[in-house]
Amino acid sequence: DGGITQSPKYLFRKEGQNVTLSCEQNLNHDAMYWYRQDPGQGLRLIYYSQIVNDFQKGDIAEGYSVSREKKESFPLTVTSAQKNPTAFYLCASRTFGGSRDTGELFFGEGSRLTVL
Amino acid sequence: AQTVTQSQPEMSVQEAETVTLSCTYDTSESDYYLFWYKQPPSRQMILVIRQEAYKQQNATENRFSVNFQKAAKSFSLKISDSQLGDAAMYFCAYRRGYGGATNKLIFGTGTLLAVQP
Repeated sequence: DGGITQSPKYLFRKEGQNVTLSCEQNLNHDAMYWYRQDPGQGLRLIYYSQIVNDFQKGDIAEGYSVSREKKESFPLTVTSAQKNPTAFYLCASRTFGGSRDTGELFFGEGSRLTVL
Repeated sequence: AQTVTQSQPEMSVQEAETVTLSCTYDTSESDYYLFWYKQPPSRQMILVIRQEAYKQQNATENRFSVNFQKAAKSFSLKISDSQLGDAAMYFCAYRRGYGGATNKLIFGTGTLLAVQP
């Protein structure tokens, strides 16, 4: 079945450590996104990528980094510069342009990061 | 800038009854999409229903329907015959109708729906 796989589901990190969240999709989607979810704040966009080797900052990119070396993969690194990294992180993807573009985002199951 | 507002942080409904979740948005665009997403306790976001702004007819998907009032910039979700499995966080979202991948989805803060047996 096609879908988006995020790993790990739960991750604990000590302060000062970088951590990388994995996101893999087999939907052949062009665009991929990372959102952060906090209680009472909805979803906020961290980074997004339209094509391989290209990505743009979202609304809250500070303290995060990404790469897009393959169409299927869009890992997110939470660096020690992120002041409040404890959150739920959602990866999403979509196609765009043409008859297949319904505007819909497809989501992974998320990763819960806790900083100790 | 576009914004999406969900003014009901929590709602409750009896099983088999009908509930309406509210959403308003602010935009100067004429071409856009609106969505309702459901996030159950498993945390995976699932699309419930989608509405294109150029369509006057309200979208429906089985027990889910919307009341799209373009002039009022209102996009409410009606759930009929509520079931225990409908209990979840519901997010309203907006997306401009052009611009490719830079065309990001803007989410409201969500409404937590409880379904009472």
